[in-house]
Amino acid sequence: KAGVTQTPRYLIKTRGQQVTLSCSPISGHRSVSWYQQTPGQGLQFLFEYFSETQRNKGNFPGRFSGRQFSNSRSEMNVSTLELGDSALYLCASSLGLAGKNEQFFGPGTRLTVL
Amino acid sequence: AQSVSQHNHHVILSEAASLELGCNYSYGGTVNLFWYVQYPGQHLQLLLKYFSGDPLVKGIKGFEAEFIKSKFSFNLRKPSVQWSDTAEYFCAVNADYGGATNKLIFGTGTLLAVQP
Repeated sequence: KAGVTQTPRYLIKTRGQQVTLSCSPISGHRSVSWYQQTPGQGLQFLFEYFSETQRNKGNFPGRFSGRQFSNSRSEMNVSTLELGDSALYLCASSLGLAGKNEQFFGPGTRLTVL
Repeated sequence: AQSVSQHNHHVILSEAASLELGCNYSYGGTVNLFWYVQYPGQHLQLLLKYFSGDPLVKGIKGFEAEFIKSKFSFNLRKPSVQWSDTAEYFCAVNADYGGATNKLIFGTGTLLAVQP
């Protein structure tokens, strides 16, 4: 069974640009969550999607947005990039929205903002 | 706001030593508790989890954790570490609002280095 895949694996952007990251969950998983990982702040929850609807959102500015498609694949978008957005962005998938579900993490997308 | 504290940021042990990593959380309601591990160059993966029942839970690779509700703690233990346990360990908490979210609050992580 294929794991969670994220594309691209690495990105370099400049301030002010926008970026779109993609996540393909494990087949059959309907919930996708996104996390930002930085050395200073650790792992922080961005948002989660289930059945194409955003169900929960973390404490991030509106420049961070996402969506989920009917096949459960998800994208997140960051507009007007800032230096502080440099981070590893992780996607996690699970069967449903019950908090007891194990979440499976992808390898992440490493975003560098210059 | 909910938070998770991991007291040890860096731990260095020799092989065969015992390991205990501390984790405390702040949330008064029902919680689901997890320990994740990230080996060098690999994805985050689940070590073990606790939802209810026996507060001593066993996970993969000989790890176990004990939930102490009165102390809001979920400490990770292993009786004898191996060089291959070198990794970063994350404690995470899911506040159980009736199963409506998978949101995890993570601790800052503990880097474990095991010397052969």
